[in-house]
Amino acid sequence: QKEVEQDPGPLSVPEGAIVSLNCTYSNSAFQYFMWYRQYSRKGPELLMYTYSSGNKEDGRFTAQVDKSSKYISLFIRDSQPSDSATYLCAMSASPGTASKLTFGTGTRLQVTL
Amino acid sequence: DSGVTQTPKHLITATGQRVTLRCSPRSGDLSVYWYQQSLDQGLQFLIQYYNGEERAKGNILERFSAQQFPDLHSELNLSSLELGDSALYFCASSVGTSPAEQYFGPGTRLTVT
Repeated sequence: QKEVEQDPGPLSVPEGAIVSLNCTYSNSAFQYFMWYRQYSRKGPELLMYTYSSGNKEDGRFTAQVDKSSKYISLFIRDSQPSDSATYLCAMSASPGTASKLTFGTGTRLQVTL
Repeated sequence: DSGVTQTPKHLITATGQRVTLRCSPRSGDLSVYWYQQSLDQGLQFLIQYYNGEERAKGNILERFSAQQFPDLHSELNLSSLELGDSALYFCASSVGTSPAEQYFGPGTRLTVT
């Protein structure tokens, strides 16, 4: 079983829809939770990060972390065709000797006109 | 543009050869991370350096090695290349050792024939 599970999609939604992307994880040591967006053949772009549990909002994006359920979510409001990309969740335990990120496999999102 | 640069963008080489991938971190960042992205494995952490010292190792093959130089740029050396080493190789950087804000470069696409 992988440490981080993410539905690969693809997920197709009409423009203006609310998108919900999710990841589950098994490692209770994870404290940092990140969402990256990756366009085809490009490097991952950091969208948001959250430390421990709770919600964080940035423009049209909201990240939620539920450590009790080992479940994280990214919501995209008023989705746009430019949001079409692969969304990767990433997680890490406390910094110290290692700050490596463990990634989900990514969910491919297509926002249609 | 994340501020992380990687060269070359593309590399095509034959099995058994050796290549060097180069990464320059964002100005002020002391940590450099290397990741491999393949279709079947997703994004996998290889190795982390902080201010010239190795901090953490992931599932990096013995045929692979890396270093970080005094000017903080980093090189990833891949030797005795196999077909299965074909992948995208990303470098990321962060200010310190917190895993929260790692910024990725555009990647080097390696094709082994």
